[in-house]
Amino acid sequence: NAGVTQTPKFQVLKTGQSMTLQCAQDMNHNSMYWYRQDPGMGLRLIYYSASEGTTDKGEVPNGYNVSRLNKREFSLRLESAAPSQTSVYFCASTHGSTSSYEQYFGPGTRLTVT
Amino acid sequence: GESVGLHLPTLSVQEGDNSIINCAYSNSASDYFIWYKQESGKGPQFIIDIRSNMDKRQGQRVTVLLNKTVKHLSLQIAATQPGDSAVYFCAAGGGYSTLTFGKGTMLLVSP
Repeated sequence: NAGVTQTPKFQVLKTGQSMTLQCAQDMNHNSMYWYRQDPGMGLRLIYYSASEGTTDKGEVPNGYNVSRLNKREFSLRLESAAPSQTSVYFCASTHGSTSSYEQYFGPGTRLTVT
Repeated sequence: GESVGLHLPTLSVQEGDNSIINCAYSNSASDYFIWYKQESGKGPQFIIDIRSNMDKRQGQRVTVLLNKTVKHLSLQIAATQPGDSAVYFCAAGGGYSTLTFGKGTMLLVSP
C-alpha cells in the first residue's frame, strides 16, 4: 500500500514551458486535491475532485488545469509556466465520506520556474 | 469563506517540556478540525482530528482542545522530544469536504 504517490519529485522549467504533475492513490479514495505550498503561506488549494468525473476550482486555480483520469489518478497541468508558479506542490486524497475528512498527502513535487 | 491562523510562527521548547500550539478559525460553520505535522522535505502527516461536537480529544502524547465560543483550537504535545521538531498546521473544514489550512507553526525542540 503506497498511499499517495507523486511524480516527478523535482522539476526545473523555463518560463513558458508546460508540464504535467502526476498523482496516484491506492486507497480507493473518492476525493483528491492539489495544493501549493509557498514559504509563509501554508497550503493553498488549487483544484480538487470530490469524486471521479468532477473537478472544482480551489483558492488559487489560475494558470492550472486538472484531469481526474480515473478514481486513482489526478493530474495537474501547467500550460505556460511562470516564475510565480515556483512552489512545492502536494497532492492529497480522502475517502470523501462524512466519517472522516482526513486527507492523506503525497511527498510533494518541488518545481522551479526560471 | 474560512480563514485559519496560528498565533506564533515559531515555538522553541526544551526536551521534556509540554508544548502548546494555538490556532484560530473564522467560520462558525466549520465542524471538523485537524492537525498535521510536516517534517522538512516531506508531505504533511495526520496527527489528530476533532469534530465540533467534542471539546477535547486525546491521542498518543497529543491532545487537541476546541473552544467553539472563541473559535480557537490548540494542540498540546506532552513530554516533547527532538523528533517532534517540525512545522505544525491546523486546518478547518466541514461537509463540503475541503480544508482551509493555517500558515503553520515551527516547533523547535532543544535537548
